[in-house]
Amino acid sequence: SAVISQKPSRDICQRGTSLTIQCQVDSQVTMMFWYRQQPGQSLTLIATANQGSEATYESGFVIDKFPISRPNLTFSTLTVSNMSPEDSSIYLCSVEMDTTYEQYFGPGTRLTVT
Amino acid sequence: AQKITQTQPGMFVQEKEAVTLDCTYDTSDPSYGLFWYKQPSSGEMIFLIYQGSYDQQNATEGRYSLNFQKARKSANLVISASQLGDSAMYFCAMRVLSGYALNFGKGTSLLVTP
Repeated sequence: SAVISQKPSRDICQRGTSLTIQCQVDSQVTMMFWYRQQPGQSLTLIATANQGSEATYESGFVIDKFPISRPNLTFSTLTVSNMSPEDSSIYLCSVEMDTTYEQYFGPGTRLTVT
Repeated sequence: AQKITQTQPGMFVQEKEAVTLDCTYDTSDPSYGLFWYKQPSSGEMIFLIYQGSYDQQNATEGRYSLNFQKARKSANLVISASQLGDSAMYFCAMRVLSGYALNFGKGTSLLVTP
């Protein structure tokens, strides 16, 4: 398994501002992912982040709104830009272990936009 | 396209009893993996169990087992000897092995009563 940490754990932000969420893994992994969970909903994949390449975004998500960095095999950041109340969600990073198909999640960042 | 269906929005079970959470899936890809996650009120996503489409035996992890019926496209989670701490949302997810995204069902809320 993997131990994943996220910062911040929660934040309250004003409309129009941006927030950068950090994800740190205790081992080197190739595949990292960012998910969003809107209130009372299931999880939706935002993008896949591989080290050394541009992030791959899912339909409905764009780089200008959710820029992602993946500088090395243990770290990634997701920025939520120009926030609106509709961005209020839990944002979770996850990793896939290189030797299995198991995917593990970080504890999540609970974002509220006012 | 892949689809995951969890038809039970909420379930009750008495402590020490066994409970089955239903999950059906739909995919035309022969190579896929099925996952179950637990999400307590804290919001973290806890990996429980994984079943590959070519695995001959049902996966088991402690008190969790996955009842995999490939012909019926079902992957039910069985929790034996329920504990109060099992009260949480449970999500079934699938990933085709040619891709990386986890597709999640809507979840089942489980409440364990004394």
